[in-house]
Amino acid sequence: GDSVTQMEGPVTLSEEAFLTINCTYTATGYPSLFWYVQYPGEGLQLLLKATKADDKGSNKGFEATYRKETTSFHLEKGSVQVSDSAVYFCAPWVDKIIFGKGTRLHILP
Amino acid sequence: DSGVTQTPKHLITATGQRVTLRCSPRSGDLSVYWYQQSLDQGLQFLIQYYNGEERAKGNILERFSAQQFPDLHSELNLSSLELGDSALYFCASSGQGSQPQHFGDGTRLSIL
Repeated sequence: GDSVTQMEGPVTLSEEAFLTINCTYTATGYPSLFWYVQYPGEGLQLLLKATKADDKGSNKGFEATYRKETTSFHLEKGSVQVSDSAVYFCAPWVDKIIFGKGTRLHILP
Repeated sequence: DSGVTQTPKHLITATGQRVTLRCSPRSGDLSVYWYQQSLDQGLQFLIQYYNGEERAKGNILERFSAQQFPDLHSELNLSSLELGDSALYFCASSGQGSQPQHFGDGTRLSIL
Protein backbone atom coordinates (compact mmCIF):
# COMPACT_ATOMS: atom_id res chain seq x y z
CA GLY A 1 0.00 0.00 0.00
CA ASP A 2 0.91 3.68 -0.10
CA SER A 3 3.36 4.78 2.58
CA VAL A 4 5.80 7.50 3.57
CA THR A 5 9.08 7.36 5.47
CA GLN A 6 10.77 10.39 6.90
CA MET A 7 13.90 10.69 8.96
CA GLU A 8 13.47 10.22 12.64
CA GLY A 9 14.13 13.01 15.04
CA PRO A 10 14.80 14.85 17.02
CA VAL A 11 17.16 16.84 14.85
CA THR A 12 19.17 19.47 16.69
CA LEU A 13 21.04 22.17 14.81
CA SER A 14 22.63 25.50 15.57
CA GLU A 15 21.17 28.68 14.14
CA GLU A 16 22.25 29.37 10.55
CA ALA A 17 23.04 25.69 9.89
CA PHE A 18 21.87 23.90 6.74
CA LEU A 19 18.86 21.65 7.17
CA THR A 20 17.79 18.52 5.30
CA ILE A 21 14.90 16.34 6.38
CA ASN A 22 14.62 13.25 4.20
CA CYS A 23 11.30 11.93 2.95
CA THR A 24 10.63 9.02 0.63
CA TYR A 25 7.28 7.58 -0.36
CA THR A 26 5.71 4.54 -1.94
CA ALA A 27 2.61 5.17 -4.01
CA THR A 28 0.73 3.73 -6.95
CA GLY A 29 0.35 6.54 -9.42
CA TYR A 30 1.68 10.06 -9.17
CA PRO A 31 0.98 11.66 -5.83
CA SER A 32 0.86 15.30 -4.95
CA LEU A 33 3.44 15.95 -2.24
CA PHE A 34 3.16 18.17 0.81
CA TRP A 35 5.22 19.28 3.77
CA TYR A 36 3.31 20.41 6.85
CA VAL A 37 4.75 22.10 9.93
CA GLN A 38 3.43 22.04 13.49
CA TYR A 39 4.66 24.78 15.80
CA PRO A 40 4.39 24.20 19.56
CA GLY A 41 0.80 24.34 20.78
CA GLU A 42 -0.68 24.65 17.30
CA GLY A 43 -2.23 22.50 14.61
CA LEU A 44 -0.47 21.47 11.43
CA GLN A 45 -0.20 24.02 8.68
CA LEU A 46 0.82 23.63 5.07
CA LEU A 47 4.45 24.63 4.50
CA LEU A 48 4.86 23.84 0.80
CA LYS A 49 3.68 21.50 -1.95
CA ALA A 50 4.55 20.11 -5.35
CA THR A 51 2.13 18.43 -7.70
CA LYS A 52 4.26 16.94 -10.48
CA ALA A 53 7.72 15.60 -11.16
CA ASP A 54 10.59 18.13 -10.92
CA ASP A 55 8.31 20.76 -9.36
CA LYS A 56 9.95 22.69 -6.55
CA GLY A 57 7.81 23.87 -3.68
CA SER A 58 9.11 26.73 -1.56
CA ASN A 59 7.99 28.86 1.36
CA LYS A 60 9.65 30.73 4.26
CA GLY A 61 13.11 29.78 2.93
CA PHE A 62 12.26 26.08 2.83
CA GLU A 63 12.40 24.13 -0.44
CA ALA A 64 11.58 20.61 -1.59
CA THR A 65 11.81 19.11 -5.09
CA TYR A 66 9.53 16.35 -6.37
CA ARG A 67 11.91 13.59 -7.46
CA LYS A 68 9.93 10.90 -9.25
CA GLU A 69 12.95 8.75 -10.08
CA THR A 70 13.90 8.41 -6.41
CA THR A 71 10.33 8.84 -5.02
CA SER A 72 11.64 11.49 -2.66
CA PHE A 73 10.64 14.94 -1.47
CA HIS A 74 13.42 16.07 0.87
CA LEU A 75 12.93 19.31 2.78
CA GLU A 76 15.85 21.78 2.82
CA LYS A 77 16.67 25.18 4.22
CA GLY A 78 19.95 26.96 3.80
CA SER A 79 20.07 28.79 7.12
CA VAL A 80 17.72 27.80 9.93
CA GLN A 81 16.46 30.10 12.66
CA VAL A 82 15.36 29.43 16.23
CA SER A 83 11.80 30.15 15.08
CA ASP A 84 11.96 27.12 12.76
CA SER A 85 11.86 24.81 15.79
CA ALA A 86 8.79 22.67 15.15
CA VAL A 87 7.67 19.24 13.98
CA TYR A 88 7.72 18.69 10.21
CA PHE A 89 5.48 16.17 8.43
CA CYS A 90 5.94 14.83 4.92
CA ALA A 91 2.62 13.87 3.32
CA PRO A 92 1.99 12.36 -0.12
CA TRP A 93 -1.53 12.42 -1.52
CA VAL A 94 -2.85 9.87 -4.03
CA ASP A 95 -6.52 9.27 -3.28
CA LYS A 96 -5.98 10.22 0.34
CA ILE A 97 -3.26 11.96 2.30
CA ILE A 98 -0.75 9.94 4.30
CA PHE A 99 1.20 11.71 7.02
CA GLY A 100 4.69 10.63 8.00
CA LYS A 101 5.55 10.19 11.65
CA GLY A 102 6.97 13.71 11.86
CA THR A 103 10.49 14.99 12.50
CA ARG A 104 11.03 17.21 15.52
CA LEU A 105 13.52 19.99 14.84
CA HIS A 106 15.33 21.93 17.59
CA ILE A 107 17.34 24.99 16.64
CA LEU A 108 19.81 26.25 19.20
CA PRO A 109 20.69 29.96 19.34
CA ASP B 1 -5.68 31.61 11.27
CA SER B 2 -6.62 28.42 9.39
CA GLY B 3 -10.35 29.15 9.46
CA VAL B 4 -11.01 25.83 11.21
CA THR B 5 -12.48 26.17 14.70
CA GLN B 6 -12.35 23.46 17.32
CA THR B 7 -14.03 23.50 20.70
CA PRO B 8 -13.28 23.05 23.50
CA LYS B 9 -9.55 23.69 23.59
CA HIS B 10 -9.07 21.60 26.71
CA LEU B 11 -11.16 18.85 28.24
CA ILE B 12 -10.49 17.01 31.47
CA THR B 13 -12.65 14.07 32.40
CA ALA B 14 -12.55 10.66 34.06
CA THR B 15 -12.36 7.12 32.80
CA GLY B 16 -15.66 5.68 31.63
CA GLN B 17 -17.09 9.05 30.66
CA ARG B 18 -18.26 10.32 27.28
CA VAL B 19 -17.25 13.55 25.56
CA THR B 20 -18.07 15.38 22.35
CA LEU B 21 -15.56 17.40 20.38
CA ARG B 22 -16.77 19.95 17.88
CA CYS B 23 -15.30 21.24 14.63
CA SER B 24 -16.37 24.01 12.28
CA PRO B 25 -14.63 23.71 8.93
CA ARG B 26 -13.20 26.49 6.83
CA SER B 27 -15.83 28.30 4.80
CA GLY B 28 -16.51 26.41 1.57
CA ASP B 29 -14.74 23.20 2.57
CA LEU B 30 -16.91 20.10 2.28
CA SER B 31 -14.47 17.56 3.71
CA VAL B 32 -13.76 17.20 7.41
CA TYR B 33 -11.09 14.93 8.87
CA TRP B 34 -10.42 13.87 12.44
CA TYR B 35 -6.97 12.93 13.75
CA GLN B 36 -5.59 11.78 17.07
CA GLN B 37 -2.09 12.86 18.06
CA SER B 38 -0.29 11.27 20.96
CA LEU B 39 3.39 11.23 21.88
CA ASP B 40 3.92 7.54 21.17
CA GLN B 41 1.60 7.05 18.17
CA GLY B 42 2.19 10.23 16.20
CA LEU B 43 -0.64 11.57 14.04
CA GLN B 44 -3.32 8.94 13.47
CA PHE B 45 -6.12 9.43 10.94
CA LEU B 46 -9.48 8.56 12.44
CA ILE B 47 -12.22 9.37 9.94
CA GLN B 48 -13.25 11.61 7.04
CA TYR B 49 -16.63 13.04 6.11
CA TYR B 50 -17.55 14.67 2.84
CA ASN B 51 -20.70 16.75 2.62
CA GLY B 52 -22.38 14.81 5.39
CA GLU B 53 -21.36 11.32 4.32
CA GLU B 54 -18.63 9.14 5.73
CA ARG B 55 -15.88 8.97 3.10
CA ALA B 56 -12.96 7.12 4.72
CA LYS B 57 -12.20 5.38 7.95
CA GLY B 58 -8.82 5.02 9.60
CA ASN B 59 -7.78 3.72 12.99
CA ILE B 60 -10.98 4.69 14.74
CA LEU B 61 -12.03 2.65 17.74
CA GLU B 62 -15.57 1.31 18.02
CA ARG B 63 -16.01 3.47 21.14
CA PHE B 64 -15.54 6.53 18.94
CA SER B 65 -18.02 7.88 16.43
CA ALA B 66 -18.40 11.00 14.35
CA GLN B 67 -20.88 12.78 12.17
CA GLN B 68 -21.10 15.78 9.89
CA PHE B 69 -24.21 17.90 10.02
CA PRO B 70 -26.04 19.72 7.19
CA ASP B 71 -24.27 22.98 8.09
CA LEU B 72 -21.00 20.99 7.61
CA HIS B 73 -19.81 21.22 11.18
CA SER B 74 -18.68 17.91 12.63
CA GLU B 75 -18.64 16.25 16.01
CA LEU B 76 -16.43 13.47 17.32
CA ASN B 77 -17.94 11.44 20.13
CA LEU B 78 -15.66 9.48 22.43
CA SER B 79 -17.25 7.11 24.93
CA SER B 80 -16.17 4.70 27.68
CA LEU B 81 -13.01 6.74 27.91
CA GLU B 82 -9.77 5.09 28.92
CA LEU B 83 -6.50 6.57 30.14
CA GLY B 84 -4.95 5.81 26.76
CA ASP B 85 -7.42 8.10 25.03
CA SER B 86 -5.59 11.11 26.45
CA ALA B 87 -4.29 12.93 23.38
CA LEU B 88 -4.65 15.91 21.12
CA TYR B 89 -7.56 15.60 18.72
CA PHE B 90 -7.34 17.62 15.54
CA CYS B 91 -9.93 18.44 12.98
CA ALA B 92 -8.98 19.46 9.45
CA SER B 93 -10.99 20.52 6.44
CA SER B 94 -10.30 20.70 2.73
CA GLY B 95 -11.81 21.25 -0.65
CA GLN B 96 -12.00 18.51 -3.26
CA GLY B 97 -9.26 16.20 -4.45
CA SER B 98 -5.67 16.95 -3.49
CA GLN B 99 -6.48 20.34 -2.00
CA PRO B 100 -4.36 20.81 1.16
CA GLN B 101 -5.94 20.25 4.52
CA HIS B 102 -6.37 23.12 6.97
CA PHE B 103 -6.06 22.20 10.62
CA GLY B 104 -7.67 23.56 13.72
CA ASP B 105 -5.66 24.15 16.88
CA GLY B 106 -6.89 20.93 18.42
CA THR B 107 -8.67 19.78 21.55
CA ARG B 108 -6.43 18.48 24.32
CA LEU B 109 -8.22 15.64 26.10
CA SER B 110 -6.93 14.53 29.48
CA ILE B 111 -8.38 11.45 31.15
CA LEU B 112 -7.82 11.20 34.88
